[in-house]
Amino acid sequence: AQRVTQPEKLLSVFKGAPVELKCNYSYSGSPELFWYVQYSRQRLQLLLRHISRESIKGFTADLNKGETSFHLKKPFAQEEDSAMYYCALSGVPGTGFQKLVFGTGTRLLVSP
Amino acid sequence: DTAVSQTPKYLVTQMGNDKSIKCEQNLGHDTMYWYKQDSKKFLKIMFSYNNKELIINETVPNRFSPKSPDKAHLNLHINSLELGDSAVYFCASSQADRDYKTFFGPGTRLTVL
Repeated sequence: AQRVTQPEKLLSVFKGAPVELKCNYSYSGSPELFWYVQYSRQRLQLLLRHISRESIKGFTADLNKGETSFHLKKPFAQEEDSAMYYCALSGVPGTGFQKLVFGTGTRLLVSP
Repeated sequence: DTAVSQTPKYLVTQMGNDKSIKCEQNLGHDTMYWYKQDSKKFLKIMFSYNNKELIINETVPNRFSPKSPDKAHLNLHINSLELGDSAVYFCASSQADRDYKTFFGPGTRLTVL
């Protein structure tokens, strides 16, 4: 079965501090991993996906297949980063596994 | 604006009523979804349609009936609403043969009294 685990419900840091939101997954096939962000009472927005290896708003995430992890990192947190972050998994196109399985989410709170 | 839109944004109703939520996407995607976000912010897929055909039904009670009149629309009808149906319902879409980059609607906050 597919599963995404985000062990921290809440991560509270001060502005300027480094941030790491943890995500581990289990999936028997080749996964596509994503990070979605939900600002207060807004829609979910795609933050980044492992396949594009890009940095968005200073966030990066590296897929580690050995550790089955896809942790989200940012070297210097900003107050506007405060939001709910979801790690999600799907199968690669063509596998028929075309749904997102979400972790339980981590609320990031950045204090001034 | 190219986007996924859904109406209404808020829905407050009594137990036992029947209600519908509408969703439209103008992204030209062939796959649409309904996700439920419960009070603990946990997100779970309910249904998925590809080219108007149901492909995912995640053991949702049959009081929930999705309907896809065309590729751009996926509506959700809920019969005999229960207190536990209170949640935020998100519509989403993606293009299956390209990638599964999924775009979400703004959500419908359903409150059952």
